[in-house]
Formats: sequence, structure tokens, C-alpha cells
Amino acid sequence: GAGVSQTPSNKVTEKGKYVELRCDPISGHTALYWYRQSLGQGPEFLIYFQGTGAADDSGLPNDRFFAVRPEGSVSTLKIQRTERGDSAVYLCASSFYRNTEAFFGQGTRLTVV
Amino acid sequence: KQEVTQIPAALSVPEGENLVLNCSFTDSAIYNLQWFRQDPGKGLTSLLLIQSSQREQTSGRLNASLDKSSGRSTLYIAASQPGDSATYLCAVAGSQGNLIFGKGTKLSVKP
Repeated sequence: GAGVSQTPSNKVTEKGKYVELRCDPISGHTALYWYRQSLGQGPEFLIYFQGTGAADDSGLPNDRFFAVRPEGSVSTLKIQRTERGDSAVYLCASSFYRNTEAFFGQGTRLTVV
Repeated sequence: KQEVTQIPAALSVPEGENLVLNCSFTDSAIYNLQWFRQDPGKGLTSLLLIQSSQREQTSGRLNASLDKSSGRSTLYIAASQPGDSATYLCAVAGSQGNLIFGKGTKLSVKP
């Protein structure tokens, strides 16, 4: 595609529910990153994929968060037993390879009520 | 642990002014530094990327400099326009390419 696409753009869920956020990177980009941005803050790193494998998941806050990229393209961020503190904008970025220019999607605004 | 600081947090200028946004980082062992623009409710738009071996990059009215040894970068915007109003984010890349961001500078350019 022309750019990084994230769906849905907005998601409202009840506390305790499971959610999935999808990221479709730029075609040919091997590196994919997930970030989380709270109001008034810069994005915070969650997880990095190089190809199909999670090369660095050190930013995931706890084991309720999990992400996959089974075919090295689309990635899904999965959050179990959502909490109100998970409310934020979740951003996905892709780049041709690690440490090359990163391109971001429009984000998914997650609200846990 | 790498920390990125951006000063000022907010800036308001009249149209036509030249301005400088500042970014500092605590660990000089970076791979590159990238400047982004974020409009309200939107994702990030890449403006400039400076490799660790470079001193500056230019794109149109934007010029970014990097002094890795002192842990500083500046983004210079020439002849500012109301359309430049946005939040500007600075980010440094770690060894895996994951970006560490500052909190941003919110710029408002008044007509």
C-alpha cells in the first residue's frame, strides 16, 4: 500500500475485554514497530519485528500484551483483560530495515471504559 | 537508559519568523535521529532523518543538525507559515531501530 494502515481507527471496549489492533505496513518493509502514545507524551516503544520474529519485545508492559506477524507483513497487537490504564493511541511504524527511515500509521485510539 | 528532552514544550510565533526547536539526548551512542511532525489526532509524519555520521540534513524550509558528541539536535524552520502549526517530535534510534521520543514541542504560527 501507499502508507502504513491501521485498523480500527477508534476502538471502545469494556474493562476486562480482549482487543486486537491491526497494522498493515508499507509493502516491502521488513521492520515493523508498535508504539503507545498517551496524551501529551511522545510515543513509547512496545515491540519490534524483523520479518516474522519479534526481535525486541522489551517495551511490552506486561503479559497481557502480545503481538504477532505470522507472514512478515500484517501485524496484530493483542491485549487481554483490558484495563482503563491501557487507554491510549497505539501507533504502528514500518521501515525498509531496522535503523532506516520509519513511517507511521494514523494510529488506533483505544478507550477502555 | 536513553532519555530525550525537547525544549521548549510550546512555542508561539508570528508568521514569517525563523525558529529553532531543540532536542537533547543523554546517550551519544545513537544510530540516527529523526524529526517528526504530528497534527492533532493524527499519526506522525517523518520530516528529516540524520544518520549518526552526518552533521545535518535539509528539506525545503527545514534544516536539522546533529552534534552527537554533545547529545544535541536542532530543527530550524525558515519563514514559518500557519500550516507549520503542529507538534514536532524528536526521536533517537537504538541498536534495534526502536525510536526513543521526546515529549515534543507544540508550535503555533499566528497569521
